[in-house]
Amino acid sequence: EAGVTQSPTHLIKTRGQQATLRCSPISGHTSVYWYQQALGLGLQFLLWYDEGEERNRGNFPPRFSGRQFPNYSSELNVNALELEDSALYLCASSLRGREEQFFGPGTRLTVL
Amino acid sequence: GEDVEQSLFLSVREGDSSVINCTYTDSSSTYLYWYKQEPGAGLQLLTYIFSNMDMKQDQRLTVLLNKKDKHLSLRIADTQTGDSAIYFCAEISPGANNLFFGTGTRLTVIP
Repeated sequence: EAGVTQSPTHLIKTRGQQATLRCSPISGHTSVYWYQQALGLGLQFLLWYDEGEERNRGNFPPRFSGRQFPNYSSELNVNALELEDSALYLCASSLRGREEQFFGPGTRLTVL
Repeated sequence: GEDVEQSLFLSVREGDSSVINCTYTDSSSTYLYWYKQEPGAGLQLLTYIFSNMDMKQDQRLTVLLNKKDKHLSLRIADTQTGDSAIYFCAEISPGANNLFFGTGTRLTVIP
């Protein structure tokens, strides 16, 4: 069974640009979560999508947004990139009604 | 808000047992988790324990939960060099479904 996949593996952008990160959940999983792992800040929850709806949001500004598609895959968009957005962005998925979250390998975003 | 704390570093000799400790604050957490992160990789779910359990054993891994002290530990028996990684404990916020992670403990296994 394939795990959570994320693309691209690495992404390099400059300040002010927009970044789009993609995630495909494990087959059968309907919930997708996004986390940021920034140096010195640890792992922080960003967004939770289930059945196409945003269910919960972490303490991040509105320029962090996303969506979930009918096939349950998801996109994370980061607008007006800032240097401190450089981080590993991790996507996780879970079955409906289950709390165990399974993570993908992450997308490393570097903002120059 | 939730606060999950771990010591930052642990070194053990190959073949010894490792014990990684974690304290948490949210007494309403239903599940507590241990994840492993190898260099340059994502998080691997190692094991989890339901909040009404005291102990869970899974091959070389033993999880102990002390709800009164809000203390969680992960014991790795017969630690191998392949166990070298960062270990995160995490609690989940019921209903909100987001994981709160500790700072991570970097385990170094000395051959």
